[in-house]
Amino acid sequence: GESVGLHLPTLSVQEGDNSIINCAYSNSASDYFIWYKQESGKGPQFIIDIRSNMDKRQGQRVTVLLNKTVKHLSLQIAATQPGDSAVYFCAETGGANSKLTFGKGITLSVRP
Amino acid sequence: NAGVTQTPKFQVLKTGQSMTLQCAQDMNHNSMYWYRQDPGMGLRLIYYSASEGTTDKGEVPNGYNVSRLNKREFSLRLESAAPSQTSVYFCASSEGGSGRGTGELFFGEGSRLTVL
Repeated sequence: GESVGLHLPTLSVQEGDNSIINCAYSNSASDYFIWYKQESGKGPQFIIDIRSNMDKRQGQRVTVLLNKTVKHLSLQIAATQPGDSAVYFCAETGGANSKLTFGKGITLSVRP
Repeated sequence: NAGVTQTPKFQVLKTGQSMTLQCAQDMNHNSMYWYRQDPGMGLRLIYYSASEGTTDKGEVPNGYNVSRLNKREFSLRLESAAPSQTSVYFCASSEGGSGRGTGELFFGEGSRLTVL
């Protein structure tokens, strides 16, 4: 079946370094991708999205890269801060009447 | 602007009891969703409502029922709770209606349910 997955369950980075969180998807019909951030005890919060007609999109300190050839999505966080510590989910949707499918999540831990 | 509001935030039930989780959004969104989140499982869709008056099953609908009361409100009911339904439940809404692409989902803060 189709699935969205993350390569690593946890990622630990030094404060100030850049973080890269990766995500693989298998549904070739996926055409819209979202990254969510979930802080402890809260609901997921939208970070950034990208459509399949793009391969890169930048926000404030975050960049999403999409490689449709290998069905790979990544989230880059520049100058990682303690407030970036959270669980990050990739999600995808595509095709008629499709819903958003979430990956299992990866924990980002920022070391002071 | 409250966004998506869920109640209750915490609930403990005994096996076989029933309860309803309430959700309301004030963003005039067409679509609403109920997800459950379990450790290592990510977010799994239980039911959704693409527009007022319609509801559809998601990935894990068994043991649940939903009601789209009006455009603002979408409730999730457990008729006979089981320990396997211990989870954190999230309600979400999005502007997009039925059909291709859901767009950005806005989530509530979650409802933590424990079934003993």
